[in-house]
Amino acid sequence: SQQGEEDPQALSIQEGENATMNCSYKTSINNLQWYRQNSGRGLVHLILIRSNEREKHSGRLRVTLDTSKKSSSLLITASRAADTASYFCATDKGNDMRFGAGTRLTVKP
Amino acid sequence: DAGVIQSPRHEVTEMGQEVTLRCKPISGHDYLFWYRQTMMRGLELLIYFNNNVPIDDSGMPEDRFSAKMPNASFSTLKIQPSEPRDSAVYFCASRSSRDRSSYEQYFGPGTRLTVT
Repeated sequence: SQQGEEDPQALSIQEGENATMNCSYKTSINNLQWYRQNSGRGLVHLILIRSNEREKHSGRLRVTLDTSKKSSSLLITASRAADTASYFCATDKGNDMRFGAGTRLTVKP
Repeated sequence: DAGVIQSPRHEVTEMGQEVTLRCKPISGHDYLFWYRQTMMRGLELLIYFNNNVPIDDSGMPEDRFSAKMPNASFSTLKIQPSEPRDSAVYFCASRSSRDRSSYEQYFGPGTRLTVT
């Protein structure tokens, strides 16, 4: 069963704009991870944020976590056409990792 | 390293036939996971192994599904008999317990299964 729920389900923006995706979850977690999936490919890990962290950066990615609201957001700045993919949040309590339904991001050149 | 290897990449079979999906994890990884991805249900964890031992198979849909890991470098997911509703993309992923900074799982390219 899915744990995280991403919002929006689909997002279309122009190259250079920022993209924000949100994730809500239901139970307590150890960590929250974000993965990316290109069409027809496996998932690729982007970033992990621990339950005691509030914000994390990696290159053009910024992740926030609000455990009181059980929500996280992924911000991709200065988007590129190559960022077009599906993005999933995954909550874990150890090895039991549960994925959301994903946000389909389209970046138009 | 070649990453997680899955075979076949595509499988088309008729209802009632046995299907075997294969996975070779990244060398040195001691956790192996099987996932199923469909449009309706998203990405679901089916089962995972630690040091070749099944730890949690609560996600396995029914008795028609079985998974084995006879050694550290090979795992199979078998469906017998297959049904059209089993059509999905099946992913294998692995990770190392020594990686406590990211808990990153490394995914294979997936096997797209179509049962007609």
